[in-house]
Amino acid sequence: QVQLVQSGAEVKKPGSSVKVSCKASGGIFSSYGISWVRQAPGQGLEWMGGLIPLSGTPHYAQKFQGRVTITADEATSTAYMELSSLRSEDTAVYYCAKGRYYYETSGYFTSEAFDVWGQGTMVTVSS
Amino acid sequence: QLVLTQSPSASASLGASVKLTCSLSSEHSTYAIAWHQQQPQKGPRYLMKLNSDGSHSKGAGIPDRFSGSSSGAERYLIISSLQSEDEADYYCQTWGAGIQVFGGGTKVTVL
Repeated sequence: QVQLVQSGAEVKKPGSSVKVSCKASGGIFSSYGISWVRQAPGQGLEWMGGLIPLSGTPHYAQKFQGRVTITADEATSTAYMELSSLRSEDTAVYYCAKGRYYYETSGYFTSEAFDVWGQGTMVTVSS
Repeated sequence: QLVLTQSPSASASLGASVKLTCSLSSEHSTYAIAWHQQQPQKGPRYLMKLNSDGSHSKGAGIPDRFSGSSSGAERYLIISSLQSEDEADYYCQTWGAGIQVFGGGTKVTVL
């Protein structure tokens, strides 16, 4: 059974960047996609973007285009999410999640249901 | 545009059943979804993947009290024999063309 273990809590200044890691164990890293989901205090789940290691091409939610970078290191089975130009509204718990993926005839690799979640990483943006 | 709509809240008595609805945008009525549970102060937990024909596959350790069904663009999560630990937020998720979408979540209160 795959487990996802995330890096620890972060406190950042507005305008800076944060990089959160997500290390997978117990499975074949290239056999699933990894996505990043955040949850602001008292709010719902919000997908930020994801990556299928096999394709190497990340997909980002429009809201985060230009500010988020998702990468993966297959050698260490670790995925990363870096968010730049931080503002107070980015204060949230950030989760990684994995899902099986499939190839669509339209040319997209798409993850399916997120069947394993990381424990979450609290990122606080404050001056 | 791929959209999921959920009612903000639902409630039922201890031991009763509750049925949660997740509505797909009409042009995406054949899409599969997933249901996730988030108990207070915890991270999300995968419950099941639910297909348009009502077939579903549950995550490891998910009790039989949780089941799913489908009708048209509606996807349902049914929780039978409600327990106190079922008081939580429930989110539906769907996917397509490289993106993921979540519903706004339904808060379930056990009376």
